[in-house]
Amino acid sequence: GDSVTQMEGPVTLSEEAFLTINCTYTATGYPSLFWYVQYPGEGLQLLLKATKADDKGSNKGFEATYRKETTSFHLEKGSVQVSDSAVYFCALSALQGAQKLVFGQGTRLTINP
Amino acid sequence: NAGVTQTPKFQVLKTGQSMTLQCAQDMNHNSMYWYRQDPGMGLRLIYYSASEGTTDKGEVPNGYNVSRLNKREFSLRLESAAPSQTSVYFCASSGPGTANSPLHFGNGTRLTVT
Repeated sequence: GDSVTQMEGPVTLSEEAFLTINCTYTATGYPSLFWYVQYPGEGLQLLLKATKADDKGSNKGFEATYRKETTSFHLEKGSVQVSDSAVYFCALSALQGAQKLVFGQGTRLTINP
Repeated sequence: NAGVTQTPKFQVLKTGQSMTLQCAQDMNHNSMYWYRQDPGMGLRLIYYSASEGTTDKGEVPNGYNVSRLNKREFSLRLESAAPSQTSVYFCASSGPGTANSPLHFGNGTRLTVT
């Protein structure tokens, strides 16, 4: 079945550091790919998405490119802030009527000032 | 601007007790979902409702039942709680259109079964 694998956490960085969180997937067909973010005590929020190969999703300085050849969707940000501390989830969705997302295990990110 | 509202926020049950988790959305979304979140396992789909009047099993449906009461409300019931059901439960909804519509999540219910 479909699956998503994220890099193990937790990840701790200093403010203004470069961030990469790796995500690879296994799926039949051509899924859409997503990054969701969960701030403490809250539900998940969509951060960005890409719906086809070579698409780049971007939001709030974060970017991820849908790489079909490597089945990857790595999340990057050039200069992180303390406010980026959260748990990040990579997810995929097969093209079905309902949005049945398959999530990775999540990566906890802590940014120190 | 409520979005997806879940109640209660916290609950402690004893093994064998029953309870219903409530979820309501005010965005006129067709589809609603129940996920559970466990450490190191991400979110796993319990049940979903693609539209009013329909429900389907997700990845981990055993021990749960759901009711899509109307377009706004989707409840999750534990008939006989077990310690393995200790988790954080999230309700979500998504709008019409393709499978690319983003999910909107509630803030979760933290359930402990002793």
